[in-house]
Amino acid sequence: DAGVIQSPRHEVTEMGQEVTLRCKPISGHDYLFWYRQTMMRGLELLIYFNNNVPIDDSGMPEDRFSAKMPNASFSTLKIQPSEPRDSAVYFCATSDRGRSWETQYFGPGTRLLVL
Amino acid sequence: GQQLNQSPQSMFIQEGEDVSMNCTSSSIFNTWLWYKQDPGEGPVLLIALYKAGELTSNGRLTAQFGITRKDSFLNISASIPSDVGIYFCAGPPKAAGNKLTFGGGTRVLVKP
Repeated sequence: DAGVIQSPRHEVTEMGQEVTLRCKPISGHDYLFWYRQTMMRGLELLIYFNNNVPIDDSGMPEDRFSAKMPNASFSTLKIQPSEPRDSAVYFCATSDRGRSWETQYFGPGTRLLVL
Repeated sequence: GQQLNQSPQSMFIQEGEDVSMNCTSSSIFNTWLWYKQDPGEGPVLLIALYKAGELTSNGRLTAQFGITRKDSFLNISASIPSDVGIYFCAGPPKAAGNKLTFGGGTRVLVKP
């Protein structure tokens, strides 16, 4: 299995621009989680989906952030407009309820820098 | 909100040494997970624990689920240079739904 795939791996953009991060989950996994990692706040859950349906988005910082999962093999996290404080590493993680939703498998992350 | 406290925050290792770290919570957890993150990569799951008192090994790694359900320990035996990285504990707080809380991490470094 290829594991969780994220793109791009690195993104540098200017304040005000739209940023779209992409995630392809492990085939057959029905949970998908978006996390943000910073030095100050560590790993924070932004939103998670079960069977493509958003279940809890209480971690999404503000309306500038949105996430979608149009099908079982693709999800996006969008920031519009981006701000310097959004600079962080964004991880997508997936898990399989049939085994254990807790055992989440992380992608390599997207390192975002907003200038 | 729920917090997981990891200690130590950082530690230096010398090749061949045994290493220990722990994770504590003010509330009960029913699952404990240990992850390792290498620079520039995502966290990788090392060990998952599902029962109080459970002791599980994965190669040179051994983790234990504390009997109080409020703590967990990770030991690395005979450390090698590739053990360097950040180790995170994680678990789902009760009544939090399908959400994990992560500790702040223990950064393992090599002694100069």
